[in-house]
Amino acid sequence: DSGVTQTPKHLITATGQRVTLRCSPRSGDLSVYWYQQSLDQGLQFLIHYYNGEERAKGNILERFSAQQFPDLHSELNLSSLELGDSALYFCASSVQPNQPQHFGDGTRLSIL
Amino acid sequence: AQSVTQPDIHITVSEGASLELRCNYSYGATPYLFWYVQSPGQGLQLLLKYFSGDTLVQGIKGFEAEFKRSQSSFNLRKPSVHWSDAAEYFCAVGLFSGGYNKLIFGAGTRLAVHP
Repeated sequence: DSGVTQTPKHLITATGQRVTLRCSPRSGDLSVYWYQQSLDQGLQFLIHYYNGEERAKGNILERFSAQQFPDLHSELNLSSLELGDSALYFCASSVQPNQPQHFGDGTRLSIL
Repeated sequence: AQSVTQPDIHITVSEGASLELRCNYSYGATPYLFWYVQSPGQGLQLLLKYFSGDTLVQGIKGFEAEFKRSQSSFNLRKPSVHWSDAAEYFCAVGLFSGGYNKLIFGAGTRLAVHP
């Protein structure tokens, strides 16, 4: 158990819909990261937040957005969903940005 | 651009045999390097990391990795594989710059273990 909690574990929805994925970091970790894992793209970095502030963006679509709240949990919002958004979405956390990242078990998103 | 290459997509070994998983990276500065393991239906678990210092690093579950700057490699090794080691293994390089941090992952190597 990494201590990073992601909910829900599975999400099934339809094209055009909007979903929210939630992540609770390990106790004491200030940094939260989101990654997407798909068969064709592999593991791709999406975004990094540190203590509520966005620090870096990777290959994140404009239809996707994230935020980190004062209690340090984070949410990833995906809108206008397309079939290609079906993937496993991971959250990771670390104490500081230059420390190793610890991953949650992921949310599997299936778009029908 | 930074990149990580894992040349072997699938590897099969017999239980008790030794294992080496290859990883090559492309990065201009001294890299931060990681190996993660992903079991089916699970998240990624950190096996070991290299930040600086001794180029042979020890990790959990009996794994070790050696950083070779001249070869831009960070290969993962285990002297005797157990059936429970069957999983997918990912090598990653960490980019720390200006207060941000992101991992660039290789495509992964899927390990099968024969009894």
